[in-house]
Amino acid sequence: QVQLVQSGAEVKKPGASVKVSCKASGYSFSSYSIHWVRQAPGQGLEWMGMINPRGGSTTYAQKFQGRLTMTRDTSTTTVYMELRSLRFEDTAVYYCARDPYGSGWYFFDYWGQGTLVIVSS
Amino acid sequence: DIRMTQSPSSLSAVVGDRVTITCRASRDISTYLNWYQQKPGKAPRLLIYATSYLQDEVPSRFSGSGSATDFTLTISSLQPEDFATYYCQQTYSAPMYTFGLGTKLEIK
Repeated sequence: QVQLVQSGAEVKKPGASVKVSCKASGYSFSSYSIHWVRQAPGQGLEWMGMINPRGGSTTYAQKFQGRLTMTRDTSTTTVYMELRSLRFEDTAVYYCARDPYGSGWYFFDYWGQGTLVIVSS
Repeated sequence: DIRMTQSPSSLSAVVGDRVTITCRASRDISTYLNWYQQKPGKAPRLLIYATSYLQDEVPSRFSGSGSATDFTLTISSLQPEDFATYYCQQTYSAPMYTFGLGTKLEIK
């Protein structure tokens, strides 16, 4: 069965970096892009960016340009999301999600369980 | 960027009600519109993609319609498990997507 399993919760200080992993299983890793979405406490969903595991190309939301890097390891079918220069307002649950872009339609049909990142001094 | 405006932001209803949530795009997005349901502490769940296609295992009381800039999610007869927050998402500007701010559906 399709699964996206994320790494555990993190507590970071302002200015630090966090790297969250998302391990995919149960499907052809290179056939689906992986997106990252975050949700601040009590707030809505915010799209951050995506990576195409096939070639590693990425697209990031303008808001995160320069602070965000997504990478993938095809040998372990794992995608990573690194956010640098953390601020208090980066405190959120971070989700990875799968997008079957090859179908011609775009949507997130499977999601990871979420990773809580707390930025606190 | 394409902005998505959902209304209402919150809604109170009772079991058995017919409920409609609307989503408006800031420009024409054809039918590249998805709906998700999220319950507290859980990841979102895809309900409807491409405006009107029901995701596998989603009950048929959920339906979607619309095109261009105006879209609706309808729940024909509310069930207790439907009380949640609902989000629309545009994927016209793939691979850059945006979500609406959400509609919280509460028990009256």
